[in-house]
Amino acid sequence: QVQVVESGGGVVQPEGSRTLSCAASGFTFSKYAMNWVRQAPGKGLEWVALISYDGSKEYYADSVSGRFTVSRDNSKNMLFLQMDSLRLEDTAMYHCVRGGEFYGGHLDFWGQGAPVTVSS
Amino acid sequence: DIQLTQSPSTLSASVGDRVTMSCRASQSVGGWLAWFQHRPGEAPKLLIYRAFTLETGVPSRFSGGASETEFTLTISSLQPDDSATYYCQQYNSFPYTFGQGTKLEIK
Repeated sequence: QVQVVESGGGVVQPEGSRTLSCAASGFTFSKYAMNWVRQAPGKGLEWVALISYDGSKEYYADSVSGRFTVSRDNSKNMLFLQMDSLRLEDTAMYHCVRGGEFYGGHLDFWGQGAPVTVSS
Repeated sequence: DIQLTQSPSTLSASVGDRVTMSCRASQSVGGWLAWFQHRPGEAPKLLIYRAFTLETGVPSRFSGGASETEFTLTISSLQPDDSATYYCQQYNSFPYTFGQGTKLEIK
């Protein structure tokens, strides 16, 4: 069955960096776009980033553009989110989410999430 | 960016009731709209995509509707485990955006 499992969450200081990973299984990873979606405490869902099936295209929310970088390793079925210059408002649960085939589509399978806390 | 406005913010209903919630887009999303159910402590769950299409395994009491930039999610006969927050999301253009959510409470 389709599974996506995040790891790498934790506590980081403001202006610090953190990399989240997502291990995918149960589907042909290299055919699908992948997303990161976050939820800050007490807030709603916020789409963060998408990477196309082959890594050739990346898209970001305005709130993270220039600070976050999404990447993937199709040989290892892995998705990554490099987060730099972290701010207090980046504190959230970060979900890895499968998108549609190739360049995007509806978000169907969600991981449980990795918590990131930005605090001094 | 496309803004999605959901209403109501909270909804309280009884088991067996028919409930409808709305999602209004600030501009056309071409029907590329999904609905998600999110229970606390769980991963969000896809219910509806392409405005009307029921995701595999989702009970048929859930249905989606659309009229231009106005979208609806209807639950035909409310069940106890439908208590959750429901989000709409557009995937027509980047950045993808979510509505602020409708919290559904069971009386």
